[in-house]
Amino acid sequence: GENVEQHPSTLSVQEGDSAVIKCTYSDSASNYFPWYKQELGKGPQLIIDIRSNVGEKKDQRIAVTLNKTAKHFSLHITETQPEDSAVYFCAARDDKIIFGKGTRLHILP
Amino acid sequence: NAGVTQTPKFQVLKTGQSMTLQCAQDMNHEYMSWYRQDPGMGLRLIHYSVGAGITDQGEVPNGYNVSRSTTEDFPLRLLSAAPSQTSVYFCASSPQGAIGNTIYFGEGSWLTVV
Repeated sequence: GENVEQHPSTLSVQEGDSAVIKCTYSDSASNYFPWYKQELGKGPQLIIDIRSNVGEKKDQRIAVTLNKTAKHFSLHITETQPEDSAVYFCAARDDKIIFGKGTRLHILP
Repeated sequence: NAGVTQTPKFQVLKTGQSMTLQCAQDMNHEYMSWYRQDPGMGLRLIHYSVGAGITDQGEVPNGYNVSRSTTEDFPLRLLSAAPSQTSVYFCASSPQGAIGNTIYFGEGSWLTVV
């Protein structure tokens, strides 16, 4: 079955700098790759997603890239702000949705 | 506009007790699933369903049962609770059949087994 690896598990960046989180997946049949942000005590919220026929997608300060050949995809957050501090999850979807273990992002003042 | 509703939000069980976590969605989504979230382990899939009458196992199904008699409801049953089942449980739903469908999560159910 699908296996999703996510790195790093913890990431600290200075406010205003960029943050990059990387994921790899194992099942070549996976065709949809969402990213979720989870704040303390709440359920995960979708922040951006990418489909297998697209290599890159951008939404304001957030971008996601996908390399289907290498089976990896990445989340890029530019000009980080304090409210970006949260846990971020990547996921891969075929008939079911499998998540990575999460990255705790700290934005340092 | 309720979305995905989970009950109860908090529950304490004694070892060996059984209980059911309820999940309902009002978006007519075919796909529903249950995840558990433990520190450092991310969201692990317990069971999922691609439509009424159809269920399948995820990554960590042992100790849990599900059923999907209607499109709206997807209850998760703990047959004989164990301390290892102490966790936060999330129900999620999504449309099915087209690539790239957003997954909607409930607010979570915090379960402690003593």
